[in-house]
Amino acid sequence: DVVMTQSPLSLPVTLGQPASISCRSSQGLVYSDGNTYLSWFQQRPGQSPRRLIYKVSNRDSGVPDRFSGSGSGTDFTLKISRVEAEDVGVYYCMQGTHWPPYTFGQGTKLEIK
Amino acid sequence: EVQLVESGGDLVQPGGSLRLSCAASGFTFSNYDMNWVRQAPGKGLELVSYISVTTGGTYYADSVKGRFTISRDNAKNSLYLQMNSLRDEDTAVYYCALTIAAGGAIRNGMDVWGQGTTVTVSS
Repeated sequence: DVVMTQSPLSLPVTLGQPASISCRSSQGLVYSDGNTYLSWFQQRPGQSPRRLIYKVSNRDSGVPDRFSGSGSGTDFTLKISRVEAEDVGVYYCMQGTHWPPYTFGQGTKLEIK
Repeated sequence: EVQLVESGGDLVQPGGSLRLSCAASGFTFSNYDMNWVRQAPGKGLELVSYISVTTGGTYYADSVKGRFTISRDNAKNSLYLQMNSLRDEDTAVYYCALTIAAGGAIRNGMDVWGQGTTVTVSS
């Protein structure tokens, strides 16, 4: 299975400041249809996961535009332009290119400094 | 409103069995593939099992293969996970989830999740 490696695993951020999470895959994520199936999920404390971004940079409905995704090949990034209190939680990257199975990163815990 | 509601989680002894259920509403259940994803305490997310609506094909994580069985009843809008020979390491919150948005392209990952049901395996 494809291994997804995130960094950092812990991310203390001051309110209003930017945040960035890196995700690296053990294999390239370009699928035969030309798409790159890399998604990002947010899991707030005590809640179910929520998908934020799919195909590297497409925001899901209702996701604030302070969240953005970028990257290609094996290296991907989730950026939050200005962290708000509601952004506290754990963030996971996930690949679907080499499905099945989906494989997730270990998670990055974002907290307010 | 699209909704998934899991049930059936419980405390069970090692070697025991449980059947999880997931009740779906707010969408045409028979049109979508379904997944079970679990999260062990303080750990990350793991795809446990998947079932295709078109082919009936299934996927199981190596850790549960031969012990868990996924099934669905489209008439009842329900997804199930039969869990046998349970082990301590099966302790987790189990979520049912599916992909609806973006044309339901399953490679995008799940955009609809239930609230989860807790399975605890302990003597």
